[in-house]
Amino acid sequence: SQQGEEDPQALSIQEGENATMNCSYKTSINNLQWYRQNSGRGLVHLILIRSNEREKHSGRLRVTLDTSKKSSSLLITASRAADTASYFCATAIQGAQKLVFGQGTRLTINP
Amino acid sequence: DAGVIQSPRHEVTEMGQEVTLRCKPISGHDYLFWYRQTMMRGLELLIYFNNNVPIDDSGMPEDRFSAKMPNASFSTLKIQPSEPRDSAVYFCASSLWGARYEQYFGPGTRLTVT
Repeated sequence: SQQGEEDPQALSIQEGENATMNCSYKTSINNLQWYRQNSGRGLVHLILIRSNEREKHSGRLRVTLDTSKKSSSLLITASRAADTASYFCATAIQGAQKLVFGQGTRLTINP
Repeated sequence: DAGVIQSPRHEVTEMGQEVTLRCKPISGHDYLFWYRQTMMRGLELLIYFNNNVPIDDSGMPEDRFSAKMPNASFSTLKIQPSEPRDSAVYFCASSLWGARYEQYFGPGTRLTVT
């Protein structure tokens, strides 16, 4: 079964609004990452947060990690039409050297 | 750098035929990953290599699938014989030791088996 589960599966908001996506996982991790996938393209790495970090920022992105709840959230502020894509969380599980991806959140930004 | 290169971008083949997908990782990267993406199962890791050596192939669905990495700049994923349920988008990704969890993905190969 998938290690990461994103919520919601789909999100549609107006341009300029903030978008929040959540990810839950099951086992202990080394780090958690978020990737973006535009339609018909490969995944692009957005941000990585280590297991000993609680919050990280990168431009309009803000990621939080709560290891006690085994959950993370990705906040995109001041959304733009170009942010329309699918967003995936990926966990690097302790003791393994691979990533396990969730099913993704489909984000649509309406102009 | 050109990024991860995959070929072909699209492949349509008939059931029973052999299919070979190709990948050129980013120069200097020492990890290479093969993934499969479908609507039903999402993104699945098939196999990954470190310094051209297969490390974990537990995601390879069955013996019809095989992967090789003869050198640091080339890898293949072969399906023989292909079946309709193999239809998916196959991605190759590479990463660098030290930042190995940050993976760089290729554009993918969309495979359709009829």
